[in-house]
Amino acid sequence: DAKTTQPNSMESNEEEPVHLPCNHSTISGTDYIHWYRQLPSQGPEYVIHGLTSNVNNRMASLAIAEDRKSSTLILHRATLRDAAVYYCILRATNTLSGTYKYIFGTGTRLKVLA
Amino acid sequence: EAQVTQNPRYLITVTGKKLTVTCSQNMNHEYMSWYRQDPGLGLRQIYYSMNVEVTDKGDVPEGYKVSRKEKRNFPLILESPSPNQTSLYFCASSSGVALSQYFGPGTRLTVT
Repeated sequence: DAKTTQPNSMESNEEEPVHLPCNHSTISGTDYIHWYRQLPSQGPEYVIHGLTSNVNNRMASLAIAEDRKSSTLILHRATLRDAAVYYCILRATNTLSGTYKYIFGTGTRLKVLA
Repeated sequence: EAQVTQNPRYLITVTGKKLTVTCSQNMNHEYMSWYRQDPGLGLRQIYYSMNVEVTDKGDVPEGYKVSRKEKRNFPLILESPSPNQTSLYFCASSSGVALSQYFGPGTRLTVT
């Protein structure tokens, strides 16, 4: 199975951009890249996902390398409420059965400094 | 309100005593899934279900069973719990089209 690798922790100053990296060198062509975050004492919540092209939504941007072996989640202006564990995930499709499963990385704990 | 509910939220039990953790969603989602979260290991998928009567193993299925008899419910069954199943469990659901998963609040299970 493909896997993802993320730094254990990162720090950012409030109101500054944050770039959270993820390596997924064994990704398959049909695997989607998802990002979720988990606030303390809560379940993970969806942030963004993509397949090949860069993606933007109201929460963040996702930059995907051309060879798809890495991606970066970009928070444009970090706030104190963005302090969380951010997970880079592969949604791996079984092309024979059409089923898919999610493979989580161990996550990056983001600390935002006031 | 769109939500995924899990019961119980906290459970302490003894080795070998069968238990069921329920999961229910009100969004008519096809895809449902169970995860366990352990320190240093992140979340790992236990079982998933593409739709009613369609289930498959995730990365850590040993010691667990699931069933999907109705679209809204996806219970997790531990036939003979052991201490290594002490963990925080999350249920999630998604619409295949939307791709994003909604997670429940979690069930903290302790097996002594």
